[in-house]
Amino acid sequence: SQTIHQWPATLVQPVGSPLSLECTVEGTSNPNLYWYRQAAGRGLQLLFYSVGIGQISSEVPQNLSASRPQDRQFILSSKKLLLSDSGFYLCAWSEGAGGQPQHFGDGTRLSIL
Amino acid sequence: EDKVVQSPLSLVVHEGDTVTLNCSYEVTNFRSLLWYKQEKKAPTFLFMLTSSGIEKKSGRLSSILDKKELSSILNITATQTGDSAIYLCAVQYGNKLVFGAGTILRVKS
Repeated sequence: SQTIHQWPATLVQPVGSPLSLECTVEGTSNPNLYWYRQAAGRGLQLLFYSVGIGQISSEVPQNLSASRPQDRQFILSSKKLLLSDSGFYLCAWSEGAGGQPQHFGDGTRLSIL
Repeated sequence: EDKVVQSPLSLVVHEGDTVTLNCSYEVTNFRSLLWYKQEKKAPTFLFMLTSSGIEKKSGRLSSILDKKELSSILNITATQTGDSAIYLCAVQYGNKLVFGAGTILRVKS
């Protein structure tokens, strides 16, 4: 069966520091991969999605970037964090054929000080 | 702009009550509507609806889509404290989902 791993679970970083969050999927090939951010009391906002290695679509202009160096690995990065980057970050995957449900990792709670 | 609106934003019920959660949407190129349950961490998938008028059911939970009214409802019968969670509605277009803000359900014993 397919599993998705996301780490770290929590992270506290100072303003201006870099960021790297990692997500890996097991048990499937060529998945679609997604990064979301969830602000308190709000729904999930799509940040990036990828349909294949090296293919990244950005949904909102921001201080973050994403990369997909391997088929089942998705990385969210920033060179210099802002206070507004605080939030709950979720990685998700779906079957590559499209039209399938997305399945989520346990998320990373990021606090910027 | 594509949007999904859920109501109510929150509600508190007692164990054994039946609840109905609402979701309406304005999305171009609609593909499907999905319901998720989020407790402490990852949203977990409940239902995916693509055809209007066909009920999906899993235990005490059921959901139905009305494409004419651009809406869906999620019903939970005989609620239990374990049903306490945020229920998220999302609409799929292409490979992407747009989410509503969620309904916070609290079931009191």
